[in-house]
Amino acid sequence: QQKVQQSPESLTVSEGAMASLNCTFSDGTSNNFRWYRQHSAKGLEVLVSIFSDGEKEEGRFTAHLNRANLHVSLHIREPQPSDSAVYLCAVSGSNYQLIWGSGTKLIIKP
Amino acid sequence: EAGVTQSPRYAVLQEGQAVSFWCDPISGHDTLYWYQQPRDQGPQLLVYFRDEAVIDNSQLPSDRFSAVRPKGTNSTLKIQSAKQGDTATYLCASSSDWGRRNTLYFGAGTRLSVL
Repeated sequence: QQKVQQSPESLTVSEGAMASLNCTFSDGTSNNFRWYRQHSAKGLEVLVSIFSDGEKEEGRFTAHLNRANLHVSLHIREPQPSDSAVYLCAVSGSNYQLIWGSGTKLIIKP
Repeated sequence: EAGVTQSPRYAVLQEGQAVSFWCDPISGHDTLYWYQQPRDQGPQLLVYFRDEAVIDNSQLPSDRFSAVRPKGTNSTLKIQSAKQGDTATYLCASSSDWGRRNTLYFGAGTRLSVL
């Protein structure tokens, strides 16, 4: 059964510095990868969707996928305090059902 | 365009009480999902519908949980006889297509505390 793990559990970054979050998965046939953000008391907001190895950029958010290494990452360029939230990685395969990591709590210090 | 709407936002119950959660998906979205998100964990799928039909409810504790979507639009998730272990945020999501590239759009959730 697919396992999705995120690291670190918590990350503090200064405003303007790059923030990098990691996600590993166990099923090498996975083909659908999403990064979501969850602000306190708000719903999940999709940031980036990536379906093949390489890089996908959406504004200040860039996802890197390396399926051979079972790894997908999210990089946030010039983060602001408003980017402070929990970031969740979700992965699916042929059944299209998303399996979620437990999240990384990101804090951006002014 | 209105997003996914959920109510209530919060619920506090004693063990053994019942509670219902309501979800209004984005207009035109045929697929609706209910997730349970315990504190500091990722969402876990409970059940999902395409139109009014249940596609997968294998993770729904059927002895106490039920979910319906009678007209293929709004949906209700009900917990009979809540337990402390049900304490979590319940999220509703909807999508307009199927397959690899469908994107789920989430509501703000209902935060449930069972005392």
